[in-house]
Amino acid sequence: GNSVTQMEGPVTLSEEAFLTINCTYTATGYPSLFWYVQYPGEGLQLLLKATKADDKGSNKGFEATYRKETTSFHLEKGSVQVSDSAVYFCALTLRKGGTSYGKLTFGQGTILTVHP
Amino acid sequence: EPEVTQTPSHQVTQMGQEVILRCVPISNHLYFYWYRQILGQKVEFLVSFYNNEISEKSEIFDDQFSVERPDGSNFTLKIRSTKLEDSAMYFCASSWTLGQGRGGEQYFGPGTRLTVT
Repeated sequence: GNSVTQMEGPVTLSEEAFLTINCTYTATGYPSLFWYVQYPGEGLQLLLKATKADDKGSNKGFEATYRKETTSFHLEKGSVQVSDSAVYFCALTLRKGGTSYGKLTFGQGTILTVHP
Repeated sequence: EPEVTQTPSHQVTQMGQEVILRCVPISNHLYFYWYRQILGQKVEFLVSFYNNEISEKSEIFDDQFSVERPDGSNFTLKIRSTKLEDSAMYFCASSWTLGQGRGGEQYFGPGTRLTVT
């Protein structure tokens, strides 16, 4: 079956530190990959995506590159801010046929806390 | 910017009672989903819905659960006889119309926290 594995957390950083959250996946087909973010008390927001190998998704200073050879989609940010404190979820979906896609399969989430 | 909305934000119910969770997906989307997140655990898929029928469901989505699109805007999840283990955050999501696949991303509502006592 399909699965997503994220690095264990929580992750605690000082402001302006470099962030990496590892994500690896197994999939029976060729997935699209996503990072979602959940701020305290809120729902899941799409942070970035990549739909094919070597694609780089980016948003709000966050980046992740779709690495088919290592089945990875690690999230990085060069300089984190206190406002980045949230739970980050890696996820995948598979194309079902044509342009339709199936369910999202999520990793377990990584709690990030950034201190001033 | 269009967004998915959910009501109520918090629902408390007694074991054995029926609950209906409501969602209004983004208006030009045709695919709708329910997920749940038990406190401290993964976000889990429950069911997907397209063209007025279930297109996929998980093992969690047993006979106690049902979904409906009663009109052109609402999408509901009903739990017929709630159990303690149904306590969780329930998220509704929607995604693009056919032909605008854009990689399969889904857009989530803020969630309904269901507490079964």
